[in-house]
Amino acid sequence: DTGVSQDPRHKITKRGQNVTFRCDPISEHNRLYWYRQTLGQGPEFLTYFQNEAQLEKSRLLSDRFSAERPKGSFSTLEIQRTEQGDSAMYLCASSLGVGLEEQYFGPGTRLTVT
Amino acid sequence: SQQGEEDPQALSIQEGENATMNCSYKTSINNLQWYRQNSGRGLVHLILIRSNEREKHSGRLRVTLDTSKKSSSLLITASRAADTASYFCATEGAQKLVFGQGTRLTINP
Repeated sequence: DTGVSQDPRHKITKRGQNVTFRCDPISEHNRLYWYRQTLGQGPEFLTYFQNEAQLEKSRLLSDRFSAERPKGSFSTLEIQRTEQGDSAMYLCASSLGVGLEEQYFGPGTRLTVT
Repeated sequence: SQQGEEDPQALSIQEGENATMNCSYKTSINNLQWYRQNSGRGLVHLILIRSNEREKHSGRLRVTLDTSKKSSSLLITASRAADTASYFCATEGAQKLVFGQGTRLTINP
């Protein structure tokens, strides 16, 4: 399968702990996006990368959140000092990045903070 | 905040009937896309319509776009049980997608 993959698929953590998620985009895609989705809502944009450069961050991305994309390949999203409000599905997507085109989504990582 | 507003929020129809979902948005766009999400899974791209297009077809899907009214519709013809899912419109502007809240479609056998 050459689609977007995310790991882990599920993560349960206690409040105050740090968590890190990984996303592997489609190999030839330059752009990589992170979204957050809560129950009954559509995905909300968090941040995106063009190759290794992080070009935009949403106001939703507090100082506890950090994302990296070293070497322009896979990406990681880290949440420090998790809060119960961080419980959500974290979705990664990638696209070719040459213009207006569709994004390919991974299956998501479901985070539960207890 | 989310730009798109889908209507209805939930729709239940019999297999074989047509399903129509609407999306309204607030600001100017480069394109509008529709995605499907099956329960607990990632999103799958269905169709993209550019701001200078008015109608687009893909298999059993028909999308319209009215930029003067800032609205779009998705029509699924001859619905099947496998079409049961949530459908989201997403507007593209400034290199990112802004999603609506989605329409939950249920196809009854």
